[in-house]
Amino acid sequence: AQSVTQPDIHITVSEGASLELRCNYSYGATPYLFWYVQSPGQGLQLLLKYFSGDTLVQGIKGFEAEFKRSQSSFNLRKPSVHWSDAAEYFCAVAPIGGNKLVFGAGTILRVKS
Amino acid sequence: KAGVTQTPRYLIKTRGQQVTLSCSPISGHRSVSWYQQTPGQGLQFLFEYFSETQRNKGNFPGRFSGRQFSNSRSEMNVSTLELGDSALYLCASSLEQAYNEQFFGPGTRLTVL
Repeated sequence: AQSVTQPDIHITVSEGASLELRCNYSYGATPYLFWYVQSPGQGLQLLLKYFSGDTLVQGIKGFEAEFKRSQSSFNLRKPSVHWSDAAEYFCAVAPIGGNKLVFGAGTILRVKS
Repeated sequence: KAGVTQTPRYLIKTRGQQVTLSCSPISGHRSVSWYQQTPGQGLQFLFEYFSETQRNKGNFPGRFSGRQFSNSRSEMNVSTLELGDSALYLCASSLEQAYNEQFFGPGTRLTVL
């Protein structure tokens, strides 16, 4: 069965520092890959997605992610974190041609000033 | 373009009751998916509807059901509520295309007492 692992439950970074959130997936074939962000009491907002092609994808709010097939990873990065980035981040996969998203457990990002 | 709307935003029910949640997708979106979010289990896929037909189903008991209307609006119903059904229920809509980008609503917070 497909699964998504986000090994870090909480991460704290200083404002202005760089950020990397890890995501590994287990799937029979390369699925579609997504990163979503959720602020408290809100729904999910799509940050970026990977379907095929260039393995480095750019998203909204200055985020990017790199797909590494050999490592089954799709890590999210941001060069300089802002206090408003504090939220929970979810990595997700979906089978090609399907709409069923499988989510990781999420990583809560705290930003200290 | 208006986003995904969910009503009501908050609900309090007692064990044994039933509840109906509503989701209006983005105009033109024909696929609607439902997810349950709890602190213990995280985000889990409930079901997906497309053109009034259930296309995918997650691993939830039969007490959880849904339907979709001809205007793509969707409802989900939970009968015989249990304490463990307390959760944030998220609805997502998408176009029928290969890229499966789903747009999430703000969710309905259900509390079962």
